[in-house]
Amino acid sequence: NAGVTQTPKFQVLKTGQSMTLQCAQDMNHNSMYWYRQDPGMGLRLIYYSASEGTTDKGEVPNGYNVSRLNKREFSLRLESAAPSQTSVYFCASSEGVYQPQHFGDGTRLSIL
Amino acid sequence: DAKTTQPPSMDCAEGRAANLPCNHSTISGNEYVYWYRQIHSQGPQYIIHGLKNNETNEMASLIITEDRKSSTLILPHATLRDTAVYYCTLYNQGGKLIFGQGTELSVKP
Repeated sequence: NAGVTQTPKFQVLKTGQSMTLQCAQDMNHNSMYWYRQDPGMGLRLIYYSASEGTTDKGEVPNGYNVSRLNKREFSLRLESAAPSQTSVYFCASSEGVYQPQHFGDGTRLSIL
Repeated sequence: DAKTTQPPSMDCAEGRAANLPCNHSTISGNEYVYWYRQIHSQGPQYIIHGLKNNETNEMASLIITEDRKSSTLILPHATLRDTAVYYCTLYNQGGKLIFGQGTELSVKP
C-alpha cells in the first residue's frame, strides 16, 4: 500500500533551471496539496487541488505552477528555479477538503 | 483565521504518558482540531482530530476543553519512537490546513 508517492526524492538544480516534482496517490482521494518546509519552520501551503480539474493558491504560490493531471496525480513545476526555493517539498492528499491529510516522504531540493 | 499556540519543546520519560498542550482560543464553533506529527523530516503523519468530544484511537487520545479554547494530545505510554515534532492544526475558512511551529517532543530512556 504505497499511499502518496513523490519523485524524485533528491534533486540539485542550478539557478534558472526548470523542474517538475511529481506526486501520485493510490487512495482514490479527491483533494491534493503541495507544501514546502524550510529549516525550523512548519509547513506552508503552496497550491492545492480540492478536486480533479481545480487548483487554488495557498500561502506561498509565487514562482510555482501546478497541474492536476488526473485524480491520482498532482505535479508542481518550478519554471526558473531560485536559491530561495531550496526546501523540502511535501505532497499530501485527503478524501476531501477538511479531512485528514496523508503525506508523502518529501522531495529535498537544493538550488545553487 | 484562528491560530494555535504550542510550547516549543517538551521531554518525557519512556513508558510515561506524554501530554502535549495546545491553545486555540480563537477557534470557531465548527472548526476541528487536528494533530499531526513529523518524525525526523519524514512526511507528517496524521494522529487524531476532534470537534468537542474527547477522542481516542490506537495512537493517542485527544482531550478538548469544554470551551474549546485548548486541547491536549495524550500519548499514554511514550516510546523512543514517539520522539517527533507534534503539530496542533486547524483548517482556516478557505479549507487550508495551517501549521504552526509545533512542539518538539523528546522521549528519553
